Amino acid sequence: DGGITQSPKYLFRKEGQNVTLSCEQNLNHDAMYWYRQDPGQGLRLIYYSQIVNDFQKGDIAEGYSVSREKKESFPLTVTSAQKNPTAFYLCASSHAVKGSYNSPLHFGNGTRLTVT
Amino acid sequence: AQKITQTQPGMFVQEKEAVTLDCTYDTSDQSYGLFWYKQPSSGEMIFLIYQGSYDEQNATEGRYSLNFQKARKSANLVISASQLGDSAMYFCAMREDYGGSQGNLIFGKGTKLSVKP
Repeated sequence: DGGITQSPKYLFRKEGQNVTLSCEQNLNHDAMYWYRQDPGQGLRLIYYSQIVNDFQKGDIAEGYSVSREKKESFPLTVTSAQKNPTAFYLCASSHAVKGSYNSPLHFGNGTRLTVT
Repeated sequence: AQKITQTQPGMFVQEKEAVTLDCTYDTSDQSYGLFWYKQPSSGEMIFLIYQGSYDEQNATEGRYSLNFQKARKSANLVISASQLGDSAMYFCAMREDYGGSQGNLIFGKGTKLSVKP
């Protein structure tokens, strides 16, 4: 079955450490996204990528970095510069970003990151 | 200004009754899509229903329907015959064709629906 896999489901880190969240999709989608969700809140866009080797900052990119070396993979690194990294992180994919306003995003099951 | 507004932080509905979750949106694009997602306590985001800006008929998917009023810029979700499993957070979202969101999906803050037995 096609889908998006995020791992791990739960992640614990000490303050000051970088941590990388994995996201893999086999839907053959061009576009991939990372969202952050805080308790009781909606989703905020961190980074998105329309094609391999290209990505753009979303609304809250500070303290995060991404790479897109393969179409199927879009890992997110939460760096020590992110002041409040504890959150629920959701990865998604869709057909191309622009001109695809009728195309829904498909989401992974999320990674809950706790930094102490 | 918020592009997606969901004014109901929480809603209660009796099992087997219908419920309407409100959503208003703001865009100057002619071409856009409106989406509803369900997020159970486990966290995954489940796509429920889509309405395109040029669609003249209201979208329906099983027990879900979207009450689309373009002039009022509203896209309310109607769930008929509520079930206990419908208890979840519900998010309204929009994709513009060219607007400031660069084609990305913009979410409202969500409505927490609780279905009472």
